[in-house]
Amino acid sequence: AQTVTQSQPEMSVQEAETVTLSCTYDTSESNYYLFWYKQPPSRQMILVIRQEAYKQQNATENRFSVNFQKAAKSFSLKISDSQLGDTAMYFCAFMDTSGTYKYIFGTGTRLKVLA
Amino acid sequence: GAGVSQSPSNKVTEKGKDVELRCDPISGHTALYWYRQSLGQGLEFLIYFQGNSAPDKSGLPSDRFSAERTGGSVSTLTIQRTQQEDSAVYLCASSLAGLAGQNIQYFGAGTRLSVL
Repeated sequence: AQTVTQSQPEMSVQEAETVTLSCTYDTSESNYYLFWYKQPPSRQMILVIRQEAYKQQNATENRFSVNFQKAAKSFSLKISDSQLGDTAMYFCAFMDTSGTYKYIFGTGTRLKVLA
Repeated sequence: GAGVSQSPSNKVTEKGKDVELRCDPISGHTALYWYRQSLGQGLEFLIYFQGNSAPDKSGLPSDRFSAERTGGSVSTLTIQRTQQEDSAVYLCASSLAGLAGQNIQYFGAGTRLSVL
């Protein structure tokens, strides 16, 4: 069974600085997708970034980028120029490409951006 | 609608009562998922609907939990004889079916269930 591990329950960063959130996963699949979702206090889960396992190039979305290491089964999220609005829970998720495409989530990292 | 809509936003109930939680997915999305988010834990998959296919109920924690999806659109998650351990946020997500690349899940804001 697939598992997703986020080893940092809480993190903080100064506004305008850079922070990296860690995520590791375990799977025997060769093709899958990885996601980072943001959950602010409103509870609305918002997609931050997506990575396809067969693509070696790391995904980027504006200030958000990932470091995808397939062999190490690592998928970290880097937030550059942190903003107060980035304060939220961040969840790493794995989706295999067979069956239901359901997500397996990590336990989340609570990020606080300090003014 | 513009997004996934869930109701009620918050629900307080007494132990032993039944509750129904509603999810209205994005129009045109054929796949619908329910997840449970308990305090201090990640999101736990509960059930998946895809079109007219039999649902994947493998994540339902007990037979007190059931869900249906009428007309391939709105879904209702029912919890019978609620227990205090059922207290959690219940999130619904929908996605386009088919190719994995289309299966980005869009989430509602959830229903926070509190069982007293």
